[in-house]
Amino acid sequence: DGGITQSPKYLFRKEGQNVTLSCEQNLNHDAMYWYRQDPGQGLRLIYYSQIVNDFQKGDIAEGYSVSREKKESFPLTVTSAQKNPTAFYLCASSILAGEYGYTFGSGTRLTVV
Amino acid sequence: LAKTTQPISMDSYEGQEVNITCSHNNIATNDYITWYQQFPSQGPRFIIQGYKTKVTNEVASLFIPADRKSSTLSLPRVSLSDTAVYYCLVGRVSGSARQLTFGSGTQLTVLP
Repeated sequence: DGGITQSPKYLFRKEGQNVTLSCEQNLNHDAMYWYRQDPGQGLRLIYYSQIVNDFQKGDIAEGYSVSREKKESFPLTVTSAQKNPTAFYLCASSILAGEYGYTFGSGTRLTVV
Repeated sequence: LAKTTQPISMDSYEGQEVNITCSHNNIATNDYITWYQQFPSQGPRFIIQGYKTKVTNEVASLFIPADRKSSTLSLPRVSLSDTAVYYCLVGRVSGSARQLTFGSGTQLTVLP
């Protein structure tokens, strides 16, 4: 079955550490996205990518970095510069034209300890 | 990007029909309207999408008036498992990667 896989499901980070969240899709989608969700809030866009080796900042990119070396993969690194990283992180993908909709992964819950 | 406004929360009882309205006054000509459902600690799930008039699938209907400045998601005969947050989004179909803006959504609580 096609879909998006995020790992790990839960992640704990010590203050000052960088951590990388994995996102892999086998839907052959061109575009991939990272969102952050805080309790009781909607989703906020961190980064998105339309094509391999290209990505753009979203609304809250500070303290985060991404790479897109393969079409199927779009890892997100939460750096020590992100002052409040505890949140639920969601990866999504979509095609660029035609029928419109996102497919989301099941999310990674990051907690700073 | 068109901004959307939805009620923060709604309550309903099992077996009732639920209608959630979303306002999007500055919707553009090329924008589609899409609704997602999200359960706690899960990613949002696509429910339905439409451009104008009425769209129906196996889980919901979407009503869009002629001016397209609002839309209504209709869930027939809800059950307890329909308790979730529902998001209304507006965005363009073609072109560059679509940066969807998720508002806070509508928390639907279905009561027994």
